[in-house]
Amino acid sequence: QSALTQPLSVSGSPGQSVTISCTGTSSDVGAYNYVSWYQQHPATAPKLMIYDVNKRPSGVPDRFSGSKSGNTASLTISGLQAEDEALYFCCSYAGGYTVKFGGGTKLTVL
Amino acid sequence: QVQLVQSGAEVKRPGASVKVSCKASGYIFVSYYIHWVRQAPGQGLEWMGVINPTGGVTTYTQKLQGRVAMTRDTSSSTVYMELSSLGPEDTAVYYCARDYSASGNCDHWGQGTLVTVSA
Repeated sequence: QSALTQPLSVSGSPGQSVTISCTGTSSDVGAYNYVSWYQQHPATAPKLMIYDVNKRPSGVPDRFSGSKSGNTASLTISGLQAEDEALYFCCSYAGGYTVKFGGGTKLTVL
Repeated sequence: QVQLVQSGAEVKRPGASVKVSCKASGYIFVSYYIHWVRQAPGQGLEWMGVINPTGGVTTYTQKLQGRVAMTRDTSSSTVYMELSSLGPEDTAVYYCARDYSASGNCDHWGQGTLVTVSA
């Protein structure tokens, strides 16, 4: 079971927008609308930011949005803020009650 | 409020086993699946498996088949993850996380348990 593919790092200045991609296959990302995104700050547990491709849990700013096209999902963060600097992981259902994570992307706010 | 409280850090010798607990509160225990996810130092998240607290049915990643076992005790709203034949590569922070539909949408996570495997 290969991990989903994410860029190692992305960066942007405060106020700008950044997009993080997450590429899977027709057996995971492409097959189900069950893609989620997690934010992780150092030494803390991951936090759910997006679920079911493009839904935001209560309390997550609307600056965070998700989308999917074919086998690739994307997380877009608009109006970057300093506190957005963190690791971001995508996650996809892969059938048979199995789940895959991406390798993680380090977001740097310049 | 929803809480998942995990047991404390462990240090184990190679070849030993470890059992980590995850006690749930603030919601109906049997209504949510529990995933176990681990993170080696400086690495990404690795999905280990999931348990349905209703009937105890489990699904594990192929990589850990035969070495991992997830169980639950509904009387105490606690889920357990036991990993055997430990090696240095199992050194990681282990997280439990709840998910309504086992689809990977984990809305609450435990605080993590550091397991160190060292001779």
